[in-house]
Amino acid sequence: DAGVTQSPTHLIKTRGQHVTLRCSPISGHKSVSWYQQVLGQGPQFIFQYYEKEERGRGNFPDRFSARQFPNYSSELNVNALLLGDSALYLCASTKGGWGANGYTFGSGTRLTVV
Amino acid sequence: KQEVTQIPAALSVPEGENLVLNCSFTDSAIYNLQWFRQDPGKGLTSLLLIQSSQREQTSGRLNASLDKSSGRSTLYIAASQPGDSATYLCAWLKGGKLIFGQGTELSVKP
Repeated sequence: DAGVTQSPTHLIKTRGQHVTLRCSPISGHKSVSWYQQVLGQGPQFIFQYYEKEERGRGNFPDRFSARQFPNYSSELNVNALLLGDSALYLCASTKGGWGANGYTFGSGTRLTVV
Repeated sequence: KQEVTQIPAALSVPEGENLVLNCSFTDSAIYNLQWFRQDPGKGLTSLLLIQSSQREQTSGRLNASLDKSSGRSTLYIAASQPGDSATYLCAWLKGGKLIFGQGTELSVKP
């Protein structure tokens, strides 16, 4: 079975641009979450979606948005990129809405803003 | 406010040693706790999940315990190997989201 897949793996953008990151969960998983990890820190929660509804939002500006599609895949969008948005963006999936069975993470998208 | 603290931040040991990584959390209303491994520049690999009704989990040379009353979890690695070198992260589940510590960077020398 395929794990959580993320694309692209690496991305370089210029300040002010927009970026879209994509995630496909494990088959049968209906919840997708997004995390940002800056160098040397633990991942920080950005969004959780379950059954195409936003279940939770972390302390991130409105430049960050996401959505979940009928096939449970998800997109994370970031507008007006700042240098500080440079990070590893991780997607995680789980079966239910509350993560009781644990989360499985993808390999991440490394975003560099120059 | 740091909700999850991992000690030590970094650890270097010779191959074969048994070692203990510590994770403490501030909220006793923890639902479950998950330990992850992260290789440099890579995603997270789940090692062990301890659900709220459990006290410990074991997988091979790894054993994790959870003491909700004291707000602590411990990851025990037996007979460490150079391949164990990585950053180890603990995360507890709160309202559907994972709250991570900053990790322990482990280096096992041959």
